[in-house]
Amino acid sequence: SQQGEEDPQALSIQEGENATMNCSYKTSINNLQWYRQNSGRGLVHLILIRSNEREKHSGRLRVTLDTSKKSSSLLITASRAADTASYFCATGPQGSSGGTSYGKLTFGQGTILTVHP
Amino acid sequence: EAQVTQNPRYLITVTGKKLTVTCSQNMNHEYMSWYRQDPGLGLRQIYYSMNVEVTDKGDVPEGYKVSRKEKRNFPLILESPSPNQTSLYFCASSFLGKLFFGSGTQLSVL
Repeated sequence: SQQGEEDPQALSIQEGENATMNCSYKTSINNLQWYRQNSGRGLVHLILIRSNEREKHSGRLRVTLDTSKKSSSLLITASRAADTASYFCATGPQGSSGGTSYGKLTFGQGTILTVHP
Repeated sequence: EAQVTQNPRYLITVTGKKLTVTCSQNMNHEYMSWYRQDPGLGLRQIYYSMNVEVTDKGDVPEGYKVSRKEKRNFPLILESPSPNQTSLYFCASSFLGKLFFGSGTQLSVL
């Protein structure tokens, strides 16, 4: 069943601009993750934020989590043409043993980001 | 290099002809899973395994089988493929809740 819903479905920007993608989910979570997929290839893990965290950074990526609104955002700053890809949020269920979700993630449908040189 | 390897990358078959998609990981991860990706439906989990000889159904298990005889391998078996199983398939292993994906298998069932 779908849990995360990304918004927008597609985003087109110029190199150097910032890109913001949003994710909303329905049920309580243990963690929320963002993944990147280049055209038909395997997804690559970008960042994980736990339910007790509000913001996390990794290089040019900034993720926020608002559990009261059941939403998250991914910000890519100073985008590059190489950032062109699909971006997915995925949620790990609450109540997982040891604070992990054993990979039982539920994915949204993704945001297609195009960065023009 | 740490990786999840699946084969083949592309596969075209006919309805009813049994096939196996192999998946192997070299990271000693206990958890492995299979997903399928379809336009408009995103990624959906087919089966997962929490350790050797421990497997369970995901969200869309019908028409699929898996086995986990060794920690590193988690093959996906389609006993009698049908056209609605045409899809892009991904194997993944997991550590601390993060998934590591293979490169995918594009399957077409005619």
